[in-house]
Amino acid sequence: DIQMTQSPASLSASVGETVTITCRASENIYSYLAWYQQKQGKSPQLLVYNAKTLAEGVPSRFSGSGSGTQFSLKINSLQPEDFGSYYCQHHYGTPYTFGGGTKLEIK
Amino acid sequence: DVQLQESGPGLVKPSQSLSLTCSVTGYSITSGYYWNWIRQFPGNKLEWMGYISYDGSNNYNPSLKNRISITRDTSKNQFFLKLNSVTTEDTATYYCAGGLLYFDYWGQGTTLTVSS
Repeated sequence: DIQMTQSPASLSASVGETVTITCRASENIYSYLAWYQQKQGKSPQLLVYNAKTLAEGVPSRFSGSGSGTQFSLKINSLQPEDFGSYYCQHHYGTPYTFGGGTKLEIK
Repeated sequence: DVQLQESGPGLVKPSQSLSLTCSVTGYSITSGYYWNWIRQFPGNKLEWMGYISYDGSNNYNPSLKNRISITRDTSKNQFFLKLNSVTTEDTATYYCAGGLLYFDYWGQGTTLTVSS
């Protein structure tokens, strides 16, 4: 299986700051990577797919980049509603696997 | 608007089978997409379990070996998860999700505890 490694595991930031979360795949997954946001007690919600394509309704302050084995999710000008956990997932064939998550907290 | 809703027993004894239902509204499960089961363990690790396709074909995570079965009832627009021989390690929140290679639509999740 392809292993997905996220960093950092947790991150503390203030409203208005810019943050970047990274995800590394154990092998080349081209651009077959998705990002999800999960709020406490809720299901994950799709943010980005194909590494850089924003899902419908996702604010433009979110952006995804990368290819191959290294990927990142950047959030510009953090808003209060952006705090929660973020997960990457490869979609380069099955079994799909997820990163361990990054918990973004308010400083 | 595509919506998914899981339902299930909440508690299952070790060695028994768990059965969950996902009811889909706003989209026919035979029209397109793959209809998945994903679980999230205590500690938040996410695991893709498998899917049933719009055409009825299946794809399962090999980690679940021969314990898993995903079926559907097209007349009710529902799909189902059956997991045999459960242990305490199957305690998790179970989500149904629809999408292509990634997961556009999610249910709210149902918590399942395996305990005697």
